[in-house]
Amino acid sequence: KAGVTQTPRYLIKTRGQQVTLSCSPISGHRSVSWYQQTPGQGLQFLFEYFSETQRNKGNFPGRFSGRQFSNSRSEMNVSTLELGDSALYLCASSPSGTSGGMNTGELFFGEGSRLTVL
Amino acid sequence: AQSVTQLDSQVPVFEEAPVELRCNYSSSVSVYLFWYVQYPNQGLQLLLKYLSGSTLVKGINGFEAEFNKSQTSFHLRKPSVHISDTAEYFCAVRGSNYKLTFGKGTLLTVNP
Repeated sequence: KAGVTQTPRYLIKTRGQQVTLSCSPISGHRSVSWYQQTPGQGLQFLFEYFSETQRNKGNFPGRFSGRQFSNSRSEMNVSTLELGDSALYLCASSPSGTSGGMNTGELFFGEGSRLTVL
Repeated sequence: AQSVTQLDSQVPVFEEAPVELRCNYSSSVSVYLFWYVQYPNQGLQLLLKYLSGSTLVKGINGFEAEFNKSQTSFHLRKPSVHISDTAEYFCAVRGSNYKLTFGKGTLLTVNP
């Protein structure tokens, strides 16, 4: 079974630009979560999508947005990039939703997209 | 709300020595706990998880963790570490919205 795939793995942007990151979850997984990882702040939750709906959201400004498609693939977008947006962006998928079955919350992570803002 | 505290940001040890990485948590819902490992330039990989049952949980690469409800702890241990265990380790707890909350991480450095 293929794992979580994130593209691109590395990218460099300049301040003011925007960026779109893509995530393909494990086949059959309907939940996709995004995290920002920086040396100072650690892992910070951005948002989670389930069945094309944003189910949870972290404390990030509106410049950070996301969406999920009918095939569960997800994208996140950051507009008007700032130097502080330089980070590793991790996508994770999960097999189940909040209703029915056992939802342990276990996440399966991709290798991340490393964004550098100059 | 749930939270996770990893008590050590860095733990240096010598090869073949035992190691314990400490994690304390708080949660208002049923406790599901996880340890993840992150090698350089990679994503997070699940080491082990506690869902219910036996409080001693065994994971991959010889790691184990013990769930202690009274002390709200979930410490990770390995009796003998290898150079290849050098990585960052994250403790996480499942929250009320099925969202995982992570600790700040512990950098384990194994020296020859």
